[in-house]
Amino acid sequence: ETGVTQTPRHLVMGMTNKKSLKCEQHLGHNAMYWYKQSAKKPLELMFVYSLEERVENNSVPSRFSPECPNSSHLFLHLHTLQPEDSALYLCASSRVTSGSSYNEQFFGPGTRLTVL
Amino acid sequence: AQKVTQAQTEISVVEKEDVTLDCVYETRDTTYYLFWYKQPPSGELVFLIRRNSFDEQNEISGRYSWNFQKSTSSFNFTITASQVVDSAVYFCALSEAYSGGGADGLTFGKGTHLIIQP
Repeated sequence: ETGVTQTPRHLVMGMTNKKSLKCEQHLGHNAMYWYKQSAKKPLELMFVYSLEERVENNSVPSRFSPECPNSSHLFLHLHTLQPEDSALYLCASSRVTSGSSYNEQFFGPGTRLTVL
Repeated sequence: AQKVTQAQTEISVVEKEDVTLDCVYETRDTTYYLFWYKQPPSGELVFLIRRNSFDEQNEISGRYSWNFQKSTSSFNFTITASQVVDSAVYFCALSEAYSGGGADGLTFGKGTHLIIQP
């Protein structure tokens, strides 16, 4: 496997279900991100993990719970979601370095989530 | 606060035409980074280019070229001799500098849906 992978690619869940999205990066990066892409809305940053520590939350509802057990894996745990949470959830990774340079983020294919 | 505006929601051209996608940004930082990504129907965002705020030199990569102008806060993207495979949604994005290293999310525009007709 190369790049950034995400599983599952498609997920349908009821409002009372609990599910998890998984992201894995094979690029040797040390920062990972969750984004949400809804219809008619810009991509929204949800969570950032740098060196396995969460650095940004962006006021995401508590029904979304991230987990980053190591620099290669990122999870998004979902529980009691609402229909408006239906969206494409994208994972990304980048290499964090000291100094002022900024490295581009590489994205996975996303998980298409439908909440019934 | 940072903001990225892509005023063109959808553009449709015939193959082989040149097309320019506009991007206007707002930031209070003097050091920042601009990006373009391509999202084909498969959904995966593909990185195209990164530009630093202190480097205003335009860049050309094959049929792609980018025009960065700080005076107008614009970072426009031109595809020359467009092809059907160029059909996708294109996103412009901005990140402010994170001094001392560290990670920061990207602020995206709403995207421009580019349709290349054969």
